[in-house]
Amino acid sequence: QSVLTQPPSVSAAPGQKVTISCSGSSSNIGNNYVSWYQQLPGTAPKLLIYENNKRPSGIPDRFSGSKSGTSATLGITGLQTGDEADYYCGTWDSSLSVFGTGTKVTVL
Amino acid sequence: QVTLRESGPALVKPTQTLTLTCTFSGFSLSTSGMCVSWIRQPPGKALEWLALIDWDDDKYYSTSLKTRLTISKDTSKNQVVLTMTNMDPVDTATYYCARIVATGEYRHWGQGTLVTVSS
Repeated sequence: QSVLTQPPSVSAAPGQKVTISCSGSSSNIGNNYVSWYQQLPGTAPKLLIYENNKRPSGIPDRFSGSKSGTSATLGITGLQTGDEADYYCGTWDSSLSVFGTGTKVTVL
Repeated sequence: QVTLRESGPALVKPTQTLTLTCTFSGFSLSTSGMCVSWIRQPPGKALEWLALIDWDDDKYYSTSLKTRLTISKDTSKNQVVLTMTNMDPVDTATYYCARIVATGEYRHWGQGTLVTVSS
């Protein structure tokens, strides 16, 4: 069972914006960097955001991350059909890695 | 270029021990700050972290699975091995290995290997 809670699903029309929350506690999000991963159907997860709000090279600036207290948020603007995927947050808790429950993004 | 590739049996029987190998290139696990983790994902379910080994041979395990897991590394072969004992059908999942960098994110992932537990 994951200690990081995400909404099961979010959806929006192409071009719109979605946000995905990741709720944790002081022992994990509250004291560690948060990263976000995109998992397209049938593929391995891919790093989207690291150190709360940084994007690896090649990740468009439509993707953004933020953290406040014991929660983190992933934002996707200008939604595209290619963004349909599962998204996971990740962080650390007493030297153990933890992932969120996952959120499915649907483009209407 | 960093790559990781998981290998192991596609099918194991209940009660058997699973051994998976992660073979990587593009980095050395003897370099300070380098770590490799195993993560699994049952069909249609979320990611679940299993174990981690670092450059200094420190090992960390999922609290719920630690009695069944052993992680080890062979730096000369660029490999990390995970064994999981007493396999059960609920352990059916895609198993991934991934490289962690010093700031804690999983920078690179293998393609995953599906392991089915069935008699």
